[in-house]
Amino acid sequence: DAGVIQSPRHEVTEMGQEVTLRCKLISGHNSLFWYRQTMMRGLELLIYFNNNVPIDDSGMPEDRFSAKMPNASFSTLKIQPSEPRDSAVYFCASSPGLAFFGQGTRLTVV
Amino acid sequence: AQKVTQAQTEISVVEKEDVTLDCVYETRDTTYYLFWYKQPPSGELVFLIRRNSFDEQNEISGRYSWNFQKSTSSFNFTITASQVVDSAVYFCALSEARRGAQKLVFGQGTRLTINP
Repeated sequence: DAGVIQSPRHEVTEMGQEVTLRCKLISGHNSLFWYRQTMMRGLELLIYFNNNVPIDDSGMPEDRFSAKMPNASFSTLKIQPSEPRDSAVYFCASSPGLAFFGQGTRLTVV
Repeated sequence: AQKVTQAQTEISVVEKEDVTLDCVYETRDTTYYLFWYKQPPSGELVFLIRRNSFDEQNEISGRYSWNFQKSTSSFNFTITASQVVDSAVYFCALSEARRGAQKLVFGQGTRLTINP
């Protein structure tokens, strides 16, 4: 059990560029959550999937953000085009139990 | 709407002191889960405990203990004989218990510093 694995761990990109964050789930877990952590807003849910289907994306800030779960063990979060205010740490987590968070991706948009 | 309040933004104590981190929550659900997570300086989120709303028994795990009181909507966390390695940001969180709706609402976190 390798846990929830996120990549990259750090990403620095220029404003306007496309950014893709990746998350590999623990085998057998059926729910995946994307969270964003900023100093101003703390930890907030962006979107979550259950059995590969998006259930609630009300936390996705705007159309620049999109998330996919092409199979039961993998998800991507894409930002296009990126902006400096997207700078944050992005976590994915899996269920059951919400006990398993990835180590996060620290995104810096300059 | 669900809400979690951690009124203590920062706490600083000397090693070996006991320290309690407060957590107060709001929810209309009768069934829910409460969580505590630790975020050390390295940045990852470490799960500490999950408690079902029907289980009001206090929990002890080594130097950690949790006091769940439904009457006051509180789920406080105590570290006994604190150590420098306990320095971290601690988050309390709440989730619905409905099937397929386990999203977490986090408090703002309490930064705990244990000084040698």
